[in-house]
Amino acid sequence: DAGITQSPRHKVTETGTPVTLRCHQTENHRYMYWYRQDPGHGLRLIHYSYGVKDTDKGEVSDGYSVSRSKTEDFLLTLESATSSQTSVYFCAIEGQDSYEQYFGPGTRLTVT
Amino acid sequence: AQRVTQPEKLLSVFKGAPVELKCNYSYSGSPELFWYVQYSRQRLQLLLRHISRESIKGFTADLNKGETSFHLKKPFAQEEDSAMYYCALSGGSNYKLTFGKGTLLTVNP
Repeated sequence: DAGITQSPRHKVTETGTPVTLRCHQTENHRYMYWYRQDPGHGLRLIHYSYGVKDTDKGEVSDGYSVSRSKTEDFLLTLESATSSQTSVYFCAIEGQDSYEQYFGPGTRLTVT
Repeated sequence: AQRVTQPEKLLSVFKGAPVELKCNYSYSGSPELFWYVQYSRQRLQLLLRHISRESIKGFTADLNKGETSFHLKKPFAQEEDSAMYYCALSGGSNYKLTFGKGTLLTVNP
């Protein structure tokens, strides 16, 4: 499974609370990505990182922030969770030649 | 802008029948195209990459630049092929992937 884990795997939180999801890799890869998966929308890129402290926005970045202080960890934060952020969140890392990506097991987040 | 279109949200076939999952893309350069598969409540797994030209689990996909398509095919579907399939394109900087909305394949016994 390409040495990529996510925590927590499941979380239920209330509207307005902050939430942080963690992605951890043991592969020492440069690129890391956060996606959300929703029925009818497929996977959409939220933010990505191309190195320590180097991040950029994806397609659906509003309401999310990220941080990467170490190569192995990429954190996704919802500053004030809303019901529209109920989703399954996947982290991914680059593959052997960078174009392909390997995915973590996902975090199922429910905002009530 | 790059875009991936999977026109079928749902596809249902019987075991042993041929299956084709359609994927069309829009990209001005030379794209890298992929098929990912997601079995029920599991992580996405890379199934095929166009450049490798491999056959994985009996699936093949051919890049047709003229028709801007990358359809996934299997001559004889199996029940264990039931899953969500995503076509994806990598182009431009930072190796970002653009995904289609997915096709849910159900193979009936």
